[in-house]
Amino acid sequence: KQEVTQIPAALSVPEGENLVLNCSFTDSAIYNLQWFRQDPGKGLTSLLLIQSSQREQTSGRLNASLDKSSGRSTLYIAASQPGDSATYLCAKGGYQKVTFGTGTKLQVIP
Amino acid sequence: DTEVTQTPKHLVMGMTNKKSLKCEQHMGHRAMYWYKQKAKKPPELMFVYSYEKLSINESVPSRFSPECPNSSLLNLHLHALQPEDSALYLCASKSTGTSGYNEQFFGPGTRLTVL
Repeated sequence: KQEVTQIPAALSVPEGENLVLNCSFTDSAIYNLQWFRQDPGKGLTSLLLIQSSQREQTSGRLNASLDKSSGRSTLYIAASQPGDSATYLCAKGGYQKVTFGTGTKLQVIP
Repeated sequence: DTEVTQTPKHLVMGMTNKKSLKCEQHMGHRAMYWYKQKAKKPPELMFVYSYEKLSINESVPSRFSPECPNSSLLNLHLHALQPEDSALYLCASKSTGTSGYNEQFFGPGTRLTVL
């Protein structure tokens, strides 16, 4: 069974800190890796998409990397802000299905 | 327009009711998805439509009945639901069918409560 896990499950940091969220997957048959943000009770907002042929993608203060050989992706958030507080989900894209990770709940304290 | 819309935003229904959830996108995407998300859990895939045909049914109970009347619309018909079906129901779409190389876009979800 494909599994996608995220560590840590929860993270609390002071404003301004740089942080890294981790995503691990067990099946190397990957088309892409997508990072989402979800606010409480809301839908998912796509943050970054890394194709299997790519190593990383950047958008503003966010940088995501992908290492297929080790089955890992990381999301780096620079200079965190209280508005970054949300749950972050990674999702491994297969041929037809997307498998979501367990999520990291981030709280940025002013 | 990179928006997926869902209606209603909230729905409360009894176990004997029949209701429908609606999802719409105008991005020309030909793959559409229904997910169920319980509190503090990741979304779970329910159905996948590719070019208006059902391509994946993740062993979802028959009280959930999907329908894709055209390339822009996706419905989820609900009948005789159970209280444990209460959840956030998310719709998503992806371009050029179910190719794994494309980005998935999500709607805001419908919060369903079954009494």
